[in-house]
Amino acid sequence: GAVVSQHPSWVICKSGTSVKIECRSLDFQATTMFWYRQFPKQSLMLMATSNEGSKATYEQGVEKDKFLINHASLTLSTLTVTSAHPEDSSFYICSLAGTGHTEAFFGQGTRLTVV
Amino acid sequence: GQNIDQPTEMTATEGAIVQINCTYQTSGFNGLFWYQQHAGEAPTFLSYNVLDGLEEKGRFSSFLSRSKGYSYLLLKELQMKDSASYLCAPSDSNYQLIWGAGTKLIIKP
Repeated sequence: GAVVSQHPSWVICKSGTSVKIECRSLDFQATTMFWYRQFPKQSLMLMATSNEGSKATYEQGVEKDKFLINHASLTLSTLTVTSAHPEDSSFYICSLAGTGHTEAFFGQGTRLTVV
Repeated sequence: GQNIDQPTEMTATEGAIVQINCTYQTSGFNGLFWYQQHAGEAPTFLSYNVLDGLEEKGRFSSFLSRSKGYSYLLLKELQMKDSASYLCAPSDSNYQLIWGAGTKLIIKP
């Protein structure tokens, strides 16, 4: 299956700063990637769909100006959490899915803690 | 609307068998996935069902009934490392995975 590399695996930042999370597809050309957020003991929540060469599609309730997504190439999508606040502390996971009925391949996830 | 219903938590004994049920309602249906997720880690793929019936893969089996909107994951010969959350995720008409909160499985010696 496809290999997805997500970096960093964890980050601690100060409130008001920005954090960039990278998601790389190592052996698959990903025209679409998905960004999820997961709070403790809760389900994965889709934040946005990242489309290569075009604007991301955000889910309802997700601020596009706060969570900047860039998908400039077929192997890299980035999520930048701007002006982070403690309530943004969460587990962020990227994934790419094959076409049709194939499984989703996940990055390792990024544990963000805003202090 | 779209909805997933799984038990929040289950407890089982090492070496035993456990069945985790999932009922779902989605806009369209393109199969159902089961994932395992250990705390602090990303989900890992376990199984995929698109047709009715049972799919067996080693110690894990997954069943689907599309007419009933129902699936279960069956884990046999439970091991301590099977302690994790198990996520039922149907795929809707847009092939988007719909995630439930998962079932936390606790294995006791």
